[in-house]
Amino acid sequence: SQKIEQNSEALNIQEGKTATLTCNYTNYSPAYLQWYRQDPGRGPVFLLLIRENEKEKRKERLKVTFDTTLKQSLFHITASQPADSATYLCAPTNFGNEKLTFGTGTRLTIIP
Amino acid sequence: GAGVSQSPSNKVTEKGKDVELRCDPISGHTALYWYRQSLGQGLEFLIYFQGNSAPDKSGLPSDRFSAERTGGSVSTLTIQRTQQEDSAVYLCASSLGGTGGEQYFGPGTRLTVT
Repeated sequence: SQKIEQNSEALNIQEGKTATLTCNYTNYSPAYLQWYRQDPGRGPVFLLLIRENEKEKRKERLKVTFDTTLKQSLFHITASQPADSATYLCAPTNFGNEKLTFGTGTRLTIIP
Repeated sequence: GAGVSQSPSNKVTEKGKDVELRCDPISGHTALYWYRQSLGQGLEFLIYFQGNSAPDKSGLPSDRFSAERTGGSVSTLTIQRTQQEDSAVYLCASSLGGTGGEQYFGPGTRLTVT
């Protein structure tokens, strides 16, 4: 069956350091993979989408990599700030499939 | 501009009652999705509407759940004969449609069944 695993439920990182979150998937052949941020009591907010033919995507302090051989995506936040504290969700998606299946998320806390 | 809105924000109901949850998508978005998020669980897909096509109902957990989308805009998720395990946050999202489109989520409706 299809499975999405995100590293450790909670991750604590010192302010200013790089936070790296992992998303591993099995029994998917995703055409693309999306990352979302969710704050308590709010709906997820889209951050980045990376396609299967892209190795890396950047947006400001965010960087996503996508390794279809390892079946893994890494999400990096450089120069992390307390405001980056949130739960981060990944969603690998097969081609033609509109509905998103999310991992359970990683709760990131940036410690001042 | 206006985002996705949902109402009510909170709903407490007694077991066995029916509830209706409403979603107003972003104007011009042809795709609309319902998800459910239970405490400690990930987001679970429920149903997807795209334009005038038949909805994808593959995620609905039982026949007590149904949804409709009127006029290609507002959507209502109905849960009949609510059970305690239906307690969760119900999230609606919309997108422009097409493969790979980012989804815009509403704030959710927190449903508590007592």
